[in-house]
Amino acid sequence: GAVVSQHPSRVICKSGTSVKIECRSLDFQATTMFWYRQFPKQSLMLMATSNEGSKATYEQGVEKDKFLINHASLTLSTLTVTSAHPEDSSFYICSARWQGSSDTQYFGPGTRLTVL
Amino acid sequence: GEDVEQSLFLSVREGDSSVINCTYTDSSSTYLYWYKQEPGAGLQLLTYIFSNMDMKQDQRLTVLLNKKDKHLSLRIADTQTGDSAIYFCAESIVGNTPLVFGKGTRLSVIA
Repeated sequence: GAVVSQHPSRVICKSGTSVKIECRSLDFQATTMFWYRQFPKQSLMLMATSNEGSKATYEQGVEKDKFLINHASLTLSTLTVTSAHPEDSSFYICSARWQGSSDTQYFGPGTRLTVL
Repeated sequence: GEDVEQSLFLSVREGDSSVINCTYTDSSSTYLYWYKQEPGAGLQLLTYIFSNMDMKQDQRLTVLLNKKDKHLSLRIADTQTGDSAIYFCAESIVGNTPLVFGKGTRLSVIA
């Protein structure tokens, strides 16, 4: 199957700093990628849809100035958590949509963010 | 609106079959998916089924789709302890929209 990577897998940062998370589709091109947040023992919460070459589409309640998304190429989307606070601590997962017939989304392994 | 429902927990004995159920509301769904999430990991695509199919089998996995009742199930034969995980059902709606996920079913396999 298609492979999606995320980097870093874990990050610990101080409150007030910014953290960048990368999502890469390794063996296919993805014009659309998605960013999710997952709290412990809860389901995925879609944060935004990242479109290559255009602005991301944010879900209601997600601050676009706090969670900056850049989809600069067909294989890379980045999520930057700006001025992170402890309540931003979470598991962030990206996915990339494969444009083939099954319209499948392939997920990255996730990034565990801890803000102290 | 779109909604995908799953029961939250399922417990089975090792070697038995597991059946995880899912219901969805949007009749325009094109594909339906099952993903597996192990602790601390991302989601792994297990299988998917096109909406005009009734059944799909892949080794120990059998997917059944009842489009009339908007009901999807995943059967895992000979369940092993390594199958313990959270299983997410998801549907794809026509157009360039994100998948709609259920809340996940936590499968516990008792040795």
